[in-house]
Amino acid sequence: DAEITQSPRHKITETGRQVTLACHQTWNHNNMFWYRQDLGHGLRLIHYSYGVQDTNKGEVSDGYSVSRSNTEDLPLTLESAASSQTSVYFCASSESGRGYTDTQYFGPGTRLTVL
Amino acid sequence: EDQVTQSPEALRLQEGESSSLNCSYTVSGLRGLFWYRQDPGKGPEFLFTLYSAGEEKEKERLKATLTKKESFLHITAPKPEDSATYLCAVQAAGGSYIPTFGRGTSLIVHP
Repeated sequence: DAEITQSPRHKITETGRQVTLACHQTWNHNNMFWYRQDLGHGLRLIHYSYGVQDTNKGEVSDGYSVSRSNTEDLPLTLESAASSQTSVYFCASSESGRGYTDTQYFGPGTRLTVL
Repeated sequence: EDQVTQSPEALRLQEGESSSLNCSYTVSGLRGLFWYRQDPGKGPEFLFTLYSAGEEKEKERLKATLTKKESFLHITAPKPEDSATYLCAVQAAGGSYIPTFGRGTSLIVHP
């Protein structure tokens, strides 16, 4: 069965360190997204990609970067981790197509703690 | 700007006590409205997509309905395993693949 996986599931790091969260999907979806979820804010979009070599900023992109070198993977990098980036991070993917409504399928999440 | 408001923020029910969750939205042309279920420590799980006013979809004890301004998720005779956070999201017509999410309703069903 197709799926979307994230690793690691839990990560503790220190302020200032670079951290990369992995996201891998086997749906063969063109679109991939990174969200963070915090109490009181719901899901907030960090970055998204419509295909290989395409990346776009979401509403809370400062301090984060992504790259898309193949269809299956969209790693999220925190260049210099800050305590404000302690959160739960979700990756999602959807199938693109004109005229289609794109249901997003989510990964299980990564809980990141920045000390 | 697209907006999605879910109410109530939290809801406690007794097993078998039916109720409804509300999702009101403002969007310039609706392409689709989504309902997701999220269990603690897990990612959102897709439930339904509704496309036009008057449409209804059902899955077990859940029924989603849609009007031009809001959607309801009706839960009939809920069981404790229905306890979760329910998220609503809307996708606007116009080419973007980015849905706007509400903050969710946390449902607890007591046995």
